[in-house]
Amino acid sequence: AQSVTQLGSHVSVSEGALVLLRCNYSSSVPPYLFWYVQYPNQGLQLLLKYTSAATLVKGINGFEAEFKKSETSFHLTKPSAHMSDAAEYFCAVKVQGGSEKLVFGKGTKLTVNP
Amino acid sequence: DAGVIQSPRHEVTEMGQEVTLRCKPISGHDYLFWYRQTMMRGLELLIYFNNNVPIDDSGMPEDRFSAKMPNASFSTLKIQPSEPRDSAVYFCASSSGGPQRRRHEQYFGPGTRLTVT
Repeated sequence: AQSVTQLGSHVSVSEGALVLLRCNYSSSVPPYLFWYVQYPNQGLQLLLKYTSAATLVKGINGFEAEFKKSETSFHLTKPSAHMSDAAEYFCAVKVQGGSEKLVFGKGTKLTVNP
Repeated sequence: DAGVIQSPRHEVTEMGQEVTLRCKPISGHDYLFWYRQTMMRGLELLIYFNNNVPIDDSGMPEDRFSAKMPNASFSTLKIQPSEPRDSAVYFCASSSGGPQRRRHEQYFGPGTRLTVT
């Protein structure tokens, strides 16, 4: 069965600093991978997805993620944090050609300090 | 499109009462998902439908929970009787299964915050 591990339940960065949120996955078959963002009292919003095309995926709000099969990782990055990036971020995995079920990580809460 | 619509946004009820949560998916989407989010367990898939048919209900906690999708534009999640441990935020999401660029993308509603006292 597939699973996702997000390293660090809380990450704090200064405004303008690099954002790096870590995600490692486990899947016996090629996965689809996703990053979602959740602002307080809102639903989840898709940031970006990997579906076996380019390994470097660009998403909304300046975020990008790189699929590394050898490391089973899909880390989320942004070169320069903005105050509006403060939110909780979820990594999710889905198997190709199988169930539509998404398995989510526990989430990483990002704090951006002025 | 208005996005996924859920009602009510907040529900407070007493233990033992029946609770019904409602969801209207995005028009044209043929998959509908119900999730539960708690601090302890994170985000869990309860059940999902394809073309109004339940496909995977392995995440439904117990017989007190039931979900229906009578047509392509409406779904309900019912808890009867409710218990304090059911307190959580319940999300509905929908997606398109067609051969389109946005396939596999799930769009979430704003959620229903349920409190059972």
